[in-house]
Amino acid sequence: SQTIHQWPATLVQPVGSPLSLECTVEGTSNPNLYWYRQAAGRGLQLLFYSVGIGQISSEVPQNLSASRPQDRQFILSSKKLLLSDSGFYLCAWSVPGGSDTEAFFGQGTRLTVV
Amino acid sequence: KQEVTQIPAALSVPEGENLVLNCSFTDSAIYNLQWFRQDPGKGLTSLLLIQSSQREQTSGRLNASLDKSSGRSTLYIAASQPGDSATYLCAVRPISGGYQKVTFGIGTKLQVIP
Repeated sequence: SQTIHQWPATLVQPVGSPLSLECTVEGTSNPNLYWYRQAAGRGLQLLFYSVGIGQISSEVPQNLSASRPQDRQFILSSKKLLLSDSGFYLCAWSVPGGSDTEAFFGQGTRLTVV
Repeated sequence: KQEVTQIPAALSVPEGENLVLNCSFTDSAIYNLQWFRQDPGKGLTSLLLIQSSQREQTSGRLNASLDKSSGRSTLYIAASQPGDSATYLCAVRPISGGYQKVTFGIGTKLQVIP
């Protein structure tokens, strides 16, 4: 069966510090991968998605970047965090192609920038 | 642009009561609609997925209906239990584009009182 791992679960970082959140998927090959941010009172906002190694699409211009160094690894990064980067970050995967009907989510990372 | 609205934003009911959560969307050209459950500080867990050609889906005490022409879906929870307390989100995927085109509602926060 497929599983998705996301870590860390919580993170408190000072303004201006770097960020690296990691997500890995097991039990599937060539998944589509997604990073979302969920802010209080707002729906999930898609930040990045990837259909393959090294292929990253950005949905919202911002202080963040994403990378996919391996087939089942997706990393969310920032060189210098802003207060506005605080939020709940979710990684998800879906089966590509015709079966791309639903996504499966990780447990999320609560990021607080202080 | 698709807009997904969930009403009410919060709901508190006594244990054992049957309840209905509502989801409305502005663009009826959808591929499917999905209901998720989110526990505090956790990721999204898929509850029910309704394809655009379907009218309803059932899983245990949960029943989701879809009226595509009117842009509405309801999630019916029978005989509610304290363990049902969570936030329920609906997500709408359009006909064109992959999962990256999904629009999420903000959710309904449900509290079931013992």
